[in-house]
Amino acid sequence: GQNIDQPTEMTATEGAIVQINCTYQTSGFNGLFWYQQHAGEAPTFLSYNVLDGLEEKGRFSSFLSRSKGYSYLLLKELQMKDSASYLCAVRDDKIIFGKGTRLHILP
Amino acid sequence: ETGVTQTPRHLVMGMTNKKSLKCEQHLGHNAMYWYKQSAKKPLELMFVYSLEERVENNSVPSRFSPECPNSSHLFLHLHTLQPEDSALYLCASSQELMGGETQYFGPGTRLLVL
Repeated sequence: GQNIDQPTEMTATEGAIVQINCTYQTSGFNGLFWYQQHAGEAPTFLSYNVLDGLEEKGRFSSFLSRSKGYSYLLLKELQMKDSASYLCAVRDDKIIFGKGTRLHILP
Repeated sequence: ETGVTQTPRHLVMGMTNKKSLKCEQHLGHNAMYWYKQSAKKPLELMFVYSLEERVENNSVPSRFSPECPNSSHLFLHLHTLQPEDSALYLCASSQELMGGETQYFGPGTRLLVL
């Protein structure tokens, strides 16, 4: 079956680094997305990985290992505004979302 | 980013009502999507339209009826809904349907069915 797993909640401190993991089992693979969703708002695109390796974009980086069915989102120099849910999504013939990881940032 | 707009933002309806959700994208995209987001559940893809043709219907009950009159507008017509249909309904669009196309989401309509 199709399944995407990510932790339900995580807590980190302002200024620190946090890694949010995502594992997936899907029948096919055409790319993995990370979205950020603040409470009461729409998801916004963060990153897209289709090849193995690390994609860096400012304070955020995303890593993919297709052989392991694994990705992570790395957030550096955490800010209070980074408190949000982070959604991992995989596209095979359609896009499938995980339940999201709610990240709490402590001052 | 106000490329994708949705109205209304909030909706309360009874089980016998008929209502419609509207989505408009101003990005010149060719693909549009309806998603349902319930508490503690992943985003569920409901319908996909590409160039105004429905290309995907993920076993959605017939009480939800989509309509795509042109590539910029997408509607979701609601009829005799159930309380468990209460959720956030999100519209999204992307340039094309396949590949790594980024989906841009609207703000959503929060629906409560009484």
